[in-house]
Amino acid sequence: DAGVTQSPTHLIKTRGQQVTLRCSPISGHKSVSWYQQVLGQGPQFIFQYYEKEERGRGNFPDRFSARQFPNYSSELNVNALLLGDSALYLCASSTQPALAKNIQYFGAGTRLSVL
Amino acid sequence: DQQVKQNSPSLSVQEGRISILNCDYTNSMFDYFLWYKKYPAEGPTFLISISSIKDKNEDGRFTVFLNKSAKHLSLHIVPSQPGDSAVYFCAAITGANNLFFGTGTRLTVIP
Repeated sequence: DAGVTQSPTHLIKTRGQQVTLRCSPISGHKSVSWYQQVLGQGPQFIFQYYEKEERGRGNFPDRFSARQFPNYSSELNVNALLLGDSALYLCASSTQPALAKNIQYFGAGTRLSVL
Repeated sequence: DQQVKQNSPSLSVQEGRISILNCDYTNSMFDYFLWYKKYPAEGPTFLISISSIKDKNEDGRFTVFLNKSAKHLSLHIVPSQPGDSAVYFCAAITGANNLFFGTGTRLTVIP
């Protein structure tokens, strides 16, 4: 079975541009979460979606938005890119949204570089 | 404000010996703790977890200990194997389903 897949694997953008990152969860998983991992730090929670509805939001500005589609895949959008948005963006899926009872499976991430 | 801290960025251990990775937290509302392992170019992989109502959970070579009064947890790997070389993240979950990661510890197991 395919794991969590993310595309693209690498991306280079310039300041002020917009970017869309994509995630396909494991088949049967209805919950998708997004994380930002800056170099040298642990992943930071951005969003969680379950059944196409936002279930959680981390401490990120409104430039960050996401959505989940009927097939449970998800997109993360970042507008007006800043240099500080350069990071590894991780997507994780689980069967249910309760993180304490449902293991999250992570994709390999999208490496975003903002120049 | 880093609510979950891993103060040792790296650890080297001889193959066959015990590896002990430590994690401290500040938020007393955390009620569930997890450890993830991350290899280069891969996403984190769930390793083991523990509820705040327990003080120990064991799974094969991996044991997690929780000391709530000290707000400290540790992961023991015994015996350590070269394939255990990776970055280890501890993470904590609040009752509101918010997940916080530590900064990670790079474990190197020397053959």
